[in-house]
Parts: sequence; C-alpha cells; structure tokens
Amino acid sequence: GAVVSQHPSWVICKSGTSVKIECRSLDFQATTMFWYRQFPKQSLMLMATSNEGSKATYEQGVEKDKFLINHASLTLSTLTVTSAHPEDSSFYICSARDPASGPGFGPGTRLTVT
Amino acid sequence: GQNIDQPTEMTATEGAIVQINCTYQTSGFNGLFWYQQHAGEAPTFLSYNVLDGLEEKGRFSSFLSRSKGYSYLLLKELQMKDSASYLCAVRSGGYQKVTFGTGTKLQVIP
Repeated sequence: GAVVSQHPSWVICKSGTSVKIECRSLDFQATTMFWYRQFPKQSLMLMATSNEGSKATYEQGVEKDKFLINHASLTLSTLTVTSAHPEDSSFYICSARDPASGPGFGPGTRLTVT
Repeated sequence: GQNIDQPTEMTATEGAIVQINCTYQTSGFNGLFWYQQHAGEAPTFLSYNVLDGLEEKGRFSSFLSRSKGYSYLLLKELQMKDSASYLCAVRSGGYQKVTFGTGTKLQVIP
C-alpha cells in the first residue's frame, strides 16, 4: 500500500486554540486524500475527502468551518481543527492511494484538548 | 449510503482457525479491504478483493461474493499477536473513498 506520513503524532492543546495536522504522501502524488477520525473503541469514521486544487468534500455531520482542509500540493494535505474543544479529542488518521500499490494510512495523530 | 456490518467481538484459541464475516450494502462498489488495527495504532493492510473468490496470503485468506454483498477474513494457526481489531472496508464512488465497518475485536486466548 501507499506510504503516508503524518505530523505530529500527538498533540495536546488548550480549549479554544487551533491545531494543524499534516498528511504527506511519500514517493507518489495524491490528488485525493482522506481524513478519518476514530474515537476510543470505535471504528474509523470518514470526515472528508481532500482534493488537490479544489474544495474538500465533507461527510454529513462534519462541520467544514471547524475542520479546515487544505490540499495545496500533490503530496500534502492539512487538517486544521479550529477552536478545539475537549470533545474534539480523538485519533485523526489520513489516507491516500498510490496508483501503483493501493491505499495506505498515515500513522495517526492523537489530539487531546484540555 | 453505505452499510457495513461485522460482529463486534470474537474469541478464539491459539492455534485455531477463525472466520470474521462482513456484509455490506453499497453503490459503486470498487473493492473490499481487510485491515488489522492494534489499539492506539493506525490500521495496517491485510487483503484486497475486487473479484469474487478467495485470496490467500500466508495465514490470512479473504473471500468475496459481490452478488451477496459478503466477505470473510480467515485467520489460520492463530497466534497471540493476532489479538486486534479487524476492519472490513469498502471502496466505492468516483473518489474511491474507503468506508469502514465497525470492526471486530478478536481476542486470542491460550
């Protein structure tokens, strides 16, 4: 599968602040990347589809003004959690598909909002 | 929309065989994946089926029946390290997004 990196691997922030998470495709270009969220003991839930050069497509129930996605290049998508609240504490994972080897996931970012 | 169902939990004995089932309903089906996920970690790829039939890869095999909307993951010669959650995921649509089932938590006991 695709090799994808994420940064940071974990972050703690105060309520009301914003946090940016980066997702990079390594050794391949990804016109589309996907952002998932996983709460404890639950499955991954697709939040949005990130499209290079155009607006992201958000899943139903996901606030696009709160979760800002920017896919500025073919190897980088960023997810910014704005005005974070404790209920935003979760495990955020990005995914991309390498045409040569299939989809892969980043290692995930553990966000804790205090 | 999509609907993917898997059992919530399963328990099996070390050395045995276990089958984890997954049923799905989706439009624009374009492949089914199985992933393994240990607690606190990202999923890791196990198998991919797009055509009907059985795909075997070492101790792991995956089966797909598109007409029945059904797949299973078969784990043989279970080891303690196989204790994890197993996620069934379906790819569909123009963007080929992958949607996950709720996952099956497998516990391997001695």
